[in-house]
Amino acid sequence: DAGITQSPRHKVTETGTPVTLRCHQTENHRYMYWYRQDPGHGLRLIHYSYGVKDTDKGEVSDGYSVSRSKTEDFLLTLESATSSQTSVYFCATGQGAPNEKLFFGSGTQLSVL
Amino acid sequence: AQTVTQSQPEMSVQEAETVTLSCTYDTSESDYYLFWYKQPPSRQMILVIRQEAYKQQNATENRFSVNFQKAAKSFSLKISDSQLGDAAMYFCAYRSGGGATNKLIFGTGTLLAVQP
Repeated sequence: DAGITQSPRHKVTETGTPVTLRCHQTENHRYMYWYRQDPGHGLRLIHYSYGVKDTDKGEVSDGYSVSRSKTEDFLLTLESATSSQTSVYFCATGQGAPNEKLFFGSGTQLSVL
Repeated sequence: AQTVTQSQPEMSVQEAETVTLSCTYDTSESDYYLFWYKQPPSRQMILVIRQEAYKQQNATENRFSVNFQKAAKSFSLKISDSQLGDAAMYFCAYRSGGGATNKLIFGTGTLLAVQP
């Protein structure tokens, strides 16, 4: 599949610490997205990017920030992690066509203790 | 705001049989797109099938087909000749027709078990 790499794959951290998750793509896709997956909620959009330095909030953006300094990298930062941010985080990319398939990374399992 | 509802948290089907997963959505828009994604235990998200709202014909991809009822706002997925590899979590997703940003709204998922 498409070259979407998320790092780390797993992370355990403590409440109050900053955490940064990385999404790297080799597809030169313009659009990039961060979702979180929780039981009973499906996937929910946190933030997305429509170009370098162009980002916007999604449905559940509180407590998260993002940055995109290069086309290929999209970073998600939890400034001060809380237990409610324990989740599986997915990055996705796409070109922007309405019915296109989004390309997803393999996810990052984040546990905040 | 648009919502997507999957009312079946879990389903089970015998190998080689047919199963239908339900999805309903709520929207006031006339232009939109609907998707089914599969998530096996590997966590990878795989697009199964997609439907444009302006198309009356139901989408089909090999053993997978949809029953798209626009007036009823229903978008069910039928899996024929079920195989062990079909066991996965299935998510229904909605995308507004306007703009180029593919902000998908997902349902809560249906976990499908396939019995040998």
